[in-house]
Amino acid sequence: AQTVTQSQPEMSVQEAETVTLSCTYDTSESNYYLFWYKQPPSRQMILVIRQEAYKQQNATENRFSVNFQKAAKSFSLKISDSQLGDTAMYFCALTGTASKLTFGTGTRLQVTL
Amino acid sequence: DAGVTQSPTHLIKTRGQQVTLRCSPKSGHDTVSWYQQALGQGPQFIFQYYEEEERQRGNFPDRFSGHQFPNYSSELNVNALLLGDSALYLCASSLAGGWPDTQYFGPGTRLTVL
Repeated sequence: AQTVTQSQPEMSVQEAETVTLSCTYDTSESNYYLFWYKQPPSRQMILVIRQEAYKQQNATENRFSVNFQKAAKSFSLKISDSQLGDTAMYFCALTGTASKLTFGTGTRLQVTL
Repeated sequence: DAGVTQSPTHLIKTRGQQVTLRCSPKSGHDTVSWYQQALGQGPQFIFQYYEEEERQRGNFPDRFSGHQFPNYSSELNVNALLLGDSALYLCASSLAGGWPDTQYFGPGTRLTVL
């Protein structure tokens, strides 16, 4: 079975600052992908960034980057230069060969002025 | 390029009734997955359809069933509704054979069971 744990239910960051959201996971598969999805209050889930387990280099997408620690089964998301539009629920998710997504419980991020 | 669409947006039903939710995948996608997201929780996988067949299923009772049509659109049916079925139902589409099978989500259908 696959599990994803997000231990920070809520976080707050000031505009233009940097924030890191934590995620740990467990899987018995040797090859898998990790994702961060964003769900704004309008509720549509949007893919933020993805990381293949076999790649050592951490993925980056503009202001979003990950810190993937495979041995520790840790996959954190760093948001740089936070913007008001980053306010949302952030979900960490895992998929293996079965191609279904296993989600964590989410972290609610509030960006303030 | 049309993204994933779902209908209806909101739905109110009473216990014991049946409901059908609909999903049209993103253009070029052939696989549809359904998720249930209870309030304050992460989405839970219900099942996935590919080539009009249920390819895999999560831990949901048989009251939850689905269908995929030749145009890849899909329906989720829930029979004998319970209060606990109140949730946001998300549809996600993807292209089979890709690695990873990156899923793109629709806006969801909010189901309220009274």
